[in-house]
Amino acid sequence: NAGVMQNPRHLVRRRGQEARLRCSPMKGHSHVYWYRQLPEEGLKFMVYLQKENIIDESGMPKERFSAEFPKEGPSILRIQQVVRGDSAAYFCASSQQGRGKAEAFFGQGTRLTVV
Amino acid sequence: AQSVTQLDSQVPVFEEAPVELRCNYSSSVSVYLFWYVQYPNQGLQLLLKYLSGSTLVKGINGFEAEFNKSQTSFHLRKPSVHISDTAEYFCAVSDTQGAQKLVFGQGTRLTINP
Repeated sequence: NAGVMQNPRHLVRRRGQEARLRCSPMKGHSHVYWYRQLPEEGLKFMVYLQKENIIDESGMPKERFSAEFPKEGPSILRIQQVVRGDSAAYFCASSQQGRGKAEAFFGQGTRLTVV
Repeated sequence: AQSVTQLDSQVPVFEEAPVELRCNYSSSVSVYLFWYVQYPNQGLQLLLKYLSGSTLVKGINGFEAEFNKSQTSFHLRKPSVHISDTAEYFCAVSDTQGAQKLVFGQGTRLTINP
């Protein structure tokens, strides 16, 4: 049973370009969470999705950021018109249930560098 | 809303010495508590979690943590550390009633010296 798969592992974008980060949850998991880790900081919640639904996007910046989790295929975190401040590690986690006690399994992250 | 404070940003320890990584939380509702470990350029791996029951929780790699409700703490301990324990450690909480949305502390970098 493969773990949570994120790709790419490293992504370099010039300012103003778009970044697309992909996350394939563990088999049987229908709950996906995205977190952002800025340098020297802990992880900050961004968004929680179930298949075809955004459940909680309270941590998403209001502009340029969007997320989806289609019926088929991976979850996508999309950042439009990237700026230097978007440089960070983006982690995806998945769980079998959405309840608080369900263990969340993390991917290895995508490290975005904006130049 | 919840918040988590990890009191030490860096902890240097000699190999085979004991270690304690401190974590305090604040919440107006009941929470579950977690410790995760992050090795360099890797994702997070769950070390242990407290959901209910015994306040002393044992995890992987010889780590354990004790939940203290009155002091709102969840400190992580290991009686004898190895070089391989060098990593970043994160304490996190989630709401027991809501979704598994984790609130993380800032992390503690544990460095083991030979």
